[in-house]
Amino acid sequence: GAVVSQHPSWVICKSGTSVKIECRSLDFQATTMFWYRQFPKQSLMLMATSNEGSKATYEQGVEKDKFLINHASLTLSTLTVTSAHPEDSSFYICSARDLGASGRWDTQYFGPGTRLTVL
Amino acid sequence: KQEVTQIPAALSVPEGENLVLNCSFTDSAIYNLQWFRQDPGKGLTSLLLIQSSQREQTSGRLNASLDKSSGRSTLYIAASQPGDSATYLCAGNSGYSTLTFGKGTMLLVSP
Repeated sequence: GAVVSQHPSWVICKSGTSVKIECRSLDFQATTMFWYRQFPKQSLMLMATSNEGSKATYEQGVEKDKFLINHASLTLSTLTVTSAHPEDSSFYICSARDLGASGRWDTQYFGPGTRLTVL
Repeated sequence: KQEVTQIPAALSVPEGENLVLNCSFTDSAIYNLQWFRQDPGKGLTSLLLIQSSQREQTSGRLNASLDKSSGRSTLYIAASQPGDSATYLCAGNSGYSTLTFGKGTMLLVSP
């Protein structure tokens, strides 16, 4: 089945530093990837939609200058949290939409998540 | 915009019980309804996907139904086991939009 990986799985950083999270589709091409954030005991909230070769579309209330998204290839999207602060500490999950020949074009496959802790 | 609600927020049952988790959504023009499992501190595991033309899907002890007219989906777990303990998330999307998630039901199955 389709696999999505994330790296790193967890990261601890100091306030004010930037952190990059990678999301890769391992065995399929994904023209669209999604970034979600999940706070403890809360559901997943969509942050942005990342389209290969174009600018990401951010949800209302998400600062695009703080959460930089790059989708440079059909298998890789990155989320950079710039000048991270403790309130950015969260669980970040990416997903990728498989537009391949499986017929289930609208299925999203989710990565294992990245736990970010900002001290 | 699609809104998804799940009840109950938490459920505790003894091992062996059959149980039902409920999910409701506001937009009846739903395209996909998907159930996920999430273990603490982990990502999502897709359990069942019901497309708009379908009414239910089954996988092992799990059965998910979709009633678009009433805006509801249920996840039925038969003969629950302690290993079923996790948070179960329901998510739906309309057309080509991304998934909208409910807040989940935290299930605890005690031995």
